[in-house]
Amino acid sequence: QSALTQPASVSGSPGQSITISCTGTSSDVGGYNYVSWYQQHPGKAPKLMIYDVSNRPSGVSNRFSGSKSGNTASLTISGLQAEDEADYYCSSYTSSSRVFGGGTKLTVL
Amino acid sequence: EVQLVESGGGLVKPGGSLRLSCAASGFTFSSYSMNWVRQAPGKGLEWVSSISSSSSYIYYADSVKGRFTISRDNAKNSLYLQMNSLRAEDTAVYYCARGFLTGIDYWGQGTLVTVSS
Repeated sequence: QSALTQPASVSGSPGQSITISCTGTSSDVGGYNYVSWYQQHPGKAPKLMIYDVSNRPSGVSNRFSGSKSGNTASLTISGLQAEDEADYYCSSYTSSSRVFGGGTKLTVL
Repeated sequence: EVQLVESGGGLVKPGGSLRLSCAASGFTFSSYSMNWVRQAPGKGLEWVSSISSSSSYIYYADSVKGRFTISRDNAKNSLYLQMNSLRAEDTAVYYCARGFLTGIDYWGQGTLVTVSS
């Protein structure tokens, strides 16, 4: 149950696109199409943004998209907006556990 | 409206025990798996435990296995976490969260557990 690896921080200007990576192993990210992504603003509870690698829950902007290649999943945010500034966490689900990434702080310049 | 309200957090000495509760409303509680996820101050999210809708399947993170016990009462729409042999590293905000397929779609606001002498 080792944490997934994410970059500590990424940044971008309004209107630009950014991508956050999430690297695991063949036992978690690579072995299942069960990667989810969460957005967390300071002092708030996390919010589900993507599930099952690339699916968006109802109400989540289509500016958020997910993908996976091998043991690495990615979250892309297009048309960056000031409100996107937050911490982002990936997570991988298996039949008996979940593991989160260490989190990535997104700064909108 | 889905609501998850945690309670039971507080200050406890190392080696002590605490029982967290989560009151669920706005959905059919008995149809969903539930989770506890924690976040140490200034740190990332850590999955703690999961329980299936009928309590048939229960899982724990290695870090809490043998010390924590998750349970639920579908008649009371409630989720619980019994925490024993608490350590300083268990200090965190504990979130009650609803399972949605393979993700977690609703989270409570959390309850703070502080383990300190």
